[in-house]
Amino acid sequence: TQLLEQSPQFLSIQEGENLTVYCNSSSVFSSLQWYRQEPGEGPVLLVTVVTGGEVKKLKRLTFQFGDARKDSSLHITAAQPGDTGLYLCAEPSKTSYDKVIFGPGTSLSVIP
Amino acid sequence: KAGVTQTPRYLIKTRGQQVTLSCSPISGHRSVSWYQQTPGQGLQFLFEYFSETQRNKGNFPGRFSGRQFSNSRSEMNVSTLELGDSALYLCASSLKGSGNTIYFGEGSWLTVV
Repeated sequence: TQLLEQSPQFLSIQEGENLTVYCNSSSVFSSLQWYRQEPGEGPVLLVTVVTGGEVKKLKRLTFQFGDARKDSSLHITAAQPGDTGLYLCAEPSKTSYDKVIFGPGTSLSVIP
Repeated sequence: KAGVTQTPRYLIKTRGQQVTLSCSPISGHRSVSWYQQTPGQGLQFLFEYFSETQRNKGNFPGRFSGRQFSNSRSEMNVSTLELGDSALYLCASSLKGSGNTIYFGEGSWLTVV
């Protein structure tokens, strides 16, 4: 059974600060996705990482995939209130069609 | 193009009742999946449909069911509602599943009282 863990569970920071959230699995990821879910909305895909050691940047967001493909991190530089939301890591199931396994999420609040 | 559309957005039901939620996928998408999101359990997979066939099912009781129509629109039904069924129900669509990017709707907020 695939299990995804995320830390921290909650994070409250001031605007302009930097932060990193983490995701790890009990087994090797085939690929990993990060989603952001804003209050009252459905999750929106931010990025997919596939290769161990891969780094992808999306404006102020930097995503890193661990060399062993068992962990990933999301770093946000100079956080803004618009970054507030639930950050979910997810992995497509290794065994089932279109079944995505989600982590519990990190709830981020950026205070102006 | 229009995104995934879910109706209704909000509803309140009484224990023991049943509810039907509707999902219209992105045009051209043939795979529709459903998820339940609660504060305690997070996002959990309910089932996935492709070309009117259920290909995949999560670990939920038989009170949760769904179907997909020939135009790819999907409905899910929950019978004999329990308080614990209160949740955000999210629908997602993709071109054909199997690793394609999935796109979520805004969800249907169900409260059972």
